Amino acid sequence: EAEVAQSPRYKITEKSQAVAFWCDPISGHATLYWYRQILGQGPELLVQFQDESVVDDSQLPKDRFSAERLKGVDSTLKIQPAELGDSAMYLCASSRLAGVGADTQYFGPGTRLTVL
Amino acid sequence: RKEVEQDPGPFNVPEGATVAFNCTYSNSASQSFFWYRQDCRKEPKLLMSVYSSGNEDGRFTAQLNRASQYISLLIRDSKLSDSATYLCVVRYTGGGNKLTFGTGTQLKVEL
Repeated sequence: EAEVAQSPRYKITEKSQAVAFWCDPISGHATLYWYRQILGQGPELLVQFQDESVVDDSQLPKDRFSAERLKGVDSTLKIQPAELGDSAMYLCASSRLAGVGADTQYFGPGTRLTVL
Repeated sequence: RKEVEQDPGPFNVPEGATVAFNCTYSNSASQSFFWYRQDCRKEPKLLMSVYSSGNEDGRFTAQLNRASQYISLLIRDSKLSDSATYLCVVRYTGGGNKLTFGTGTQLKVEL
């Protein structure tokens, strides 16, 4: 069964450092999502891509976060500089299409970030 | 007020018990509804979609009441392996495929 791949699985960094997370969606999935899940809360959408285009980044803290999906396949989420409050699980998900009749979102295993 | 609200629990129940989780959502333009399951330190996985007519999958039954903006999940004959966090999830009309998650309800099934 095809899966969403993410790396690294765990990342420990000091505040003010830069971190980057990588995601490879299920082959053929045009839509890719980055979510952040703080302990004890549900995931919150940070950014959504349709192919290489950003569809929704309204909740992405753009002063320190950036995301790209240059070739419409894999994606990178970057934080610079990291802050203590960024400690969370960063989840990537993908789906075959968006809009009416949108397919199920499949989640990767996540990257657990700890900022010291 | 959060867009999707759930009782965080934990719900501690004995094996074999029936347990029900409730969820309310605030946006009446909501289009689709789901229950996801999340094991400790793992990613969320789709448990089941929720349809207006109600739907059942084995020991799991989901109900939707659009008038009251209320969703429920019933688990019958609880197993130890059902221990997890259950996330209520809503997708809004016109919101692409964006999912809005509740905070989750933690279930612990005990011997």
